[in-house]
Amino acid sequence: EPEVTQTPSHQVTQMGQEVILRCVPISNHLYFYWYRQILGQKVEFLVSFYNNEISEKSEIFDDQFSVERPDGSNFTLKIRSTKLEDSAMYFCASMWQINEKLFFGSGTQLSVL
Amino acid sequence: DQQVKQNSPSLSVQEGRISILNCDYTNSMFDYFLWYKKYPAEGPTFLISISSIKDKNEDGRFTVFLNKSAKHLSLHIVPSQPGDSAVYFCAARTEYGNKLVFGAGTILRVKS
Repeated sequence: EPEVTQTPSHQVTQMGQEVILRCVPISNHLYFYWYRQILGQKVEFLVSFYNNEISEKSEIFDDQFSVERPDGSNFTLKIRSTKLEDSAMYFCASMWQINEKLFFGSGTQLSVL
Repeated sequence: DQQVKQNSPSLSVQEGRISILNCDYTNSMFDYFLWYKKYPAEGPTFLISISSIKDKNEDGRFTVFLNKSAKHLSLHIVPSQPGDSAVYFCAARTEYGNKLVFGAGTILRVKS
């Protein structure tokens, strides 16, 4: 079965540094998402992306966050200046059309020191 | 934001018995519900879903029941197997909704 691929699996960074989390969604999917899960908490929606633009974002997704689909296959999440509270597991997800099921990657564990 | 609630943080069941995981929601605009299963260090994987026009959907050992008037759904796993031990998330979205709203998850442990 096709899968969503995320790299790296773990990322350790210093507070204030920029990080880029990378994702390769399933190839024929059109809708792309980032979610995160802080340890022990629920999976939270960050942002959705369709037709090369953000379609919806949560209040978590402030000016420090940005997403990009630089080519036909990659989908990235950038955090400009990381904070301690950004430490979480970040999941990329994709689906091919609305009302279909969402496929998740295995996540990137981000640790901000 | 507590639109989707899973009030039981954990559940322990004997192998072969039935596991029942519950989920409540508050947003009456939700009309599509999904259950995801998550193992440690992996992403959530889709398990089963149900549309609001149905009250039951079955897939092998997994059955989801929806009670719209009570805004409640449940996942039944029978018979439970040790490999079912994982975190189970209930999720919901509105019609043509763009995002899933997740519950906090229930840790299921199936003892052999």
